[in-house]
Amino acid sequence: EDQVTQSPEALRLQEGESSSLNCSYTVSGLRGLFWYRQDPGKGPEFLFTLYSAGEEKEKERLKATLTKKESFLHITAPKPEDSATYLCAVNSASGTYKYIFGTGTRLKVLA
Amino acid sequence: EAGVTQFPSHSVIEKGQTVTLRCDPISGHDNLYWYRRVMGKEIKFLLHFVKESKQDESGMPNNRFLAERTGGTYSTLKVQPAELEDSGVYFCASSQHLSSGNTIYFGEGSWLTVV
Repeated sequence: EDQVTQSPEALRLQEGESSSLNCSYTVSGLRGLFWYRQDPGKGPEFLFTLYSAGEEKEKERLKATLTKKESFLHITAPKPEDSATYLCAVNSASGTYKYIFGTGTRLKVLA
Repeated sequence: EAGVTQFPSHSVIEKGQTVTLRCDPISGHDNLYWYRRVMGKEIKFLLHFVKESKQDESGMPNNRFLAERTGGTYSTLKVQPAELEDSGVYFCASSQHLSSGNTIYFGEGSWLTVV
């Protein structure tokens, strides 16, 4: 069964304190792995799509990497405005086009 | 370019009543999806339209939920009769192509409370 596990559930960082969020997945063939950011009361906002192991993508202070078993979202020198819930999802190549989501990591960056 | 639009943003109804949620996808997106997040749980897939056809409705909880997309444009999701466990946030999303990866874009959600 396709499954996504995110860790930690919650993370508090000081401004400028770099860290990484983890997304472990089990799928029958990966069609894509997706990172979203969600602010309170809002919908998920697309960040990155990763397709194959070894792939990396960057956007401002965020960098996403992918292996055959997990993905990391690295946050370099975070700012308070990076505070949000970060969601990971996968789409299995063996099934339909539905996403399987993790429960997310709630990030709080303190000034 | 306008994003995915959902209406209403919030709805409070009594158990047994009916609620209809509406979603307008990004213009030109043939693929439309409904997802749901109930309290404390992860976002879960409900169904997928390709134009006006239901491609996958494996996530629909039961026959109290009815989704339509007449004409392949906007979609509605009706819950009738609503139960307490239907409370949560209903997200609509859309994508242009069913290509490798198939990145989808979400709306702000319709927050449903059944009392």
